[in-house]
Amino acid sequence: DTGVSQNPRHKITKRGQNVTFRCDPISEHNRLYWYRQTLGQGPEFLTYFQNEAQLEKSRLLSDRFSAERPKGSFSTLEIQRTEQGDSAMYLCASSPRAAGFNNEQFFGPGTRLTVL
Amino acid sequence: GEDVEQSLFLSVREGDSSVINCTYTDSSSTYLYWYKQEPGAGLQLLTYIFSNMDMKQDQRLTVLLNKKDKHLSLRIADTQTGDSAIYFCAEDGSSYKLIFGSGTRLLVRP
Repeated sequence: DTGVSQNPRHKITKRGQNVTFRCDPISEHNRLYWYRQTLGQGPEFLTYFQNEAQLEKSRLLSDRFSAERPKGSFSTLEIQRTEQGDSAMYLCASSPRAAGFNNEQFFGPGTRLTVL
Repeated sequence: GEDVEQSLFLSVREGDSSVINCTYTDSSSTYLYWYKQEPGAGLQLLTYIFSNMDMKQDQRLTVLLNKKDKHLSLRIADTQTGDSAIYFCAEDGSSYKLIFGSGTRLLVRP
């Protein structure tokens, strides 16, 4: 296993269009996270899954955003009616540990979204 | 609230030591992390420290934690040009999510 993978790596879209990103975590990692990173900032948490259950969502995740992890393996993040302010790097991370242990998160290379 | 602050920029000469500083606010953080990000890439976990430790050493990396002052530092010994990158500290606060600082850009001059 070579780590967390994300597709596509780059996405350019027009304002108002819908986009979907995919994340494949490290095999058997039961926790999966989505973060958003804008230029000059650190990653900001969006949402978190333990297996297929979405356990936490940030207030940054407006109703135009939806994330799924249907079988507890890969995850998708969809943004509907994209806005220019959605332009950012979307990072996925996964973690192998159960609650109470080190929450060491391994990040993918990210999907860079540009909304024109 | 949860907030992590870092200085924006550090420039050092190759072979010198680098010290990157970070302050955090959530005293309930269990672990604190240092990540490295190179241009166009994702984040690479460098090291982490458990909150009941004062120091952790891992090859060229030394992490110091002052829990009373909520201050964390990363020292890189014998800094190399390949160490040029953005370094993020992060805390896990009271949740599974990580709270990141804005990052410190390290420039290593030959």
